[in-house]
Parts: sequence; structure tokens; C-alpha cells
Amino acid sequence: QPVLTQSPSASASLGASVKLTCTLSSGHSSHAIAWHQQQPEKGPRFLMKVHTDGSHVKGDGIPDRFSGSSSGAERFLIISTLQSEDEADYYCQTWGTLIHETVFGGGTKLTVL
Amino acid sequence: ELHLVESGGGLVQPGTSLRLSCAASGFTFGDYAMHWVRQAPGKGLEWVSGITWNSGRTGYADSVKGRFTISRDNARNSLYLQMNSLRAEDTALYYCAKDSFISGSYYDHWGQGVLVTVSS
Repeated sequence: QPVLTQSPSASASLGASVKLTCTLSSGHSSHAIAWHQQQPEKGPRFLMKVHTDGSHVKGDGIPDRFSGSSSGAERFLIISTLQSEDEADYYCQTWGTLIHETVFGGGTKLTVL
Repeated sequence: ELHLVESGGGLVQPGTSLRLSCAASGFTFGDYAMHWVRQAPGKGLEWVSGITWNSGRTGYADSVKGRFTISRDNARNSLYLQMNSLRAEDTALYYCAKDSFISGSYYDHWGQGVLVTVSS
């Protein structure tokens, strides 16, 4: 079962860009991952699935400001032109072929300055 | 529009039981696996349990195995979580999540959550 590692916190200025990282544990660098956003006092929201080659498939209504990429065992969420509503917790998720093989990263709390 | 609405939470004493429900609409419920994910106060997301599209397979986190039972009724577009022998550490917001596939894959929709508080 892979382990997903995320930095606990990140910050960037309003209007700037930020790149959040999710790192897959050794031996699992071929896994795709999904990014989820959780704004304060709300349920999570699916943002996108990021493949090993960096291609990504976004959820319904996700703005173009959100994109994904990949490098080796690292999967990235890039948010450009940061807005105040982007201040949230961001979680990555990966999965296996069986129903119980779901793993979440610890989450990154993004602060928009 | 797709909706997942959880219900059945509340304040209960340790050792007692509770049954959560998730009402789904806006998609063909029986075509997808479903999951329960919880979030303890101030903590991250923890997968609790999942069930394949046809109830053929279920899975549980070690922390709830033997105490919780997941089920679904595709005719009623509903997902359930029977929680027995509740402990203080089960206190959390419980989210219903829709899988993007029939068995295990990423989650593409989430409910708003229902609060379960276990305390004497």
C-alpha cells in the first residue's frame, strides 16, 4: 500500500501562483492520484486526477486556474492567480484495484496572504 | 445535478450504535462503488469503508473492522453505515463519497458530511 506525503502548510500571495506537492512512497511511483479541496467548514471537493505522465482530468466546474503535473514519484497541483477562496486544505488520494486500497495524504493547508 | 446527502448522525454514548444513511441522486447509483470517509476534529481524511457497485465486495479500515458494516440499496439509491460498539475515537464528521468506478478508484463527488459525537 503506498504512502502519500504532503507538506502540512503552504502560503502564497493573492494573485500569485502556488505549487503543492504529493509524494508517493518508494515502489509506487506509477500510481495516479487525485486532488481534493476542502474549504473551511465544507465537505471535500474533487479537483482532478493526475496521471503518471502529468496529464490530468478535472472535475465539473473546476476553473482553468487549477492544473496538475507529475515528475517521478511527485504529483503536483498548481493554482495560478490565487484568490481568497483558494484558501483551503488540499488532500491527495491514491487507490489500488481493490475496494479497501484507498490512501489519503495528510493534507496541505494553503494560506492566501 | 449530482447530490449526496448524509443523515443519521448525532450524540451517542460509548458502546451504543448508530446508522448513517446517504441518499444519492443525479446519477445511476448502481453503476459505482461508494465509500464512507471520516474526519476527526482538526484532523485529515480517513477512509472508513467501501462497497462495490453490486455489493459483491466490501472493505473496512482496521480501526472499524468488526464494529461497522457498510451496505447499499441500489433500488433506493442509498448507502448505509451501521456503526456498533461506538468509541470516543469514532467522533468525526462522516462523509459519503462516490467512486468514479465500479470497484476502487478516485472519488469524484462528496457529500457535506454528518457529525457523529461519541461521549458520555
